[in-house]
Amino acid sequence: GAVVSQHPSRVICKSGTSVKIECRSLDFQATTMFWYRQFPKKSLMLMATSNEGSKATYEQGVEKDKFLINHASLTLSTLTVTSAHPEDSSFYICSTRGTGDTEAFFGQGTRLTVV
Amino acid sequence: GQNIDQPTEMTATEGAIVQINCTYQTSGFNGLFWYQQHAGEAPTFLSYNVLDGLEEKGRFSSFLSRSKGYSYLLLKELQMKDSASYLCASMDSNYQLIWGAGTKLIIKP
Repeated sequence: GAVVSQHPSRVICKSGTSVKIECRSLDFQATTMFWYRQFPKKSLMLMATSNEGSKATYEQGVEKDKFLINHASLTLSTLTVTSAHPEDSSFYICSTRGTGDTEAFFGQGTRLTVV
Repeated sequence: GQNIDQPTEMTATEGAIVQINCTYQTSGFNGLFWYQQHAGEAPTFLSYNVLDGLEEKGRFSSFLSRSKGYSYLLLKELQMKDSASYLCASMDSNYQLIWGAGTKLIIKP
């Protein structure tokens, strides 16, 4: 099956700094990448959908200037959390789908802690 | 609106059988997914149903009734490693996944 590689798996940063999370599709071309955020014991919350070569589509309530998404190639999508604050601490997961729009393939997730 | 309901937590005994239910209401329907998620890890795919009926895959089976907006995941011969959260997700007409909050399954010896 498809493999999505997400880095870093864990990051601790100081309040006010920026953090970049990368997701790479290793064996297929991901035209669409989904970025999720998950709070403890909560469901996955879709933040945005990124399409290769175009601007990301953000869900209602998600600040696009704070969560910058770039999908410059068919194998790489990045999420940058700018000017991070403690409330941004969460588990961030990227996901894409294979052909046929069925099974979703997830990255390993990134545990972000802002101190 | 779109909504996925599943129990918050269930407890079962090692070696037994457990059924996790899920009801869904989404704008359009392109399939129902079940994922397993261990704490601190990304979800892993378990099953996909788009037609009514039961799909069996080893110890895990998944059932779908589109007319009732209902699905269940059946786990047999439970093992301690099955302790995890089980996420139900419905794919809507835009091929977006709408996620339930997950059911935490606790397996006791």
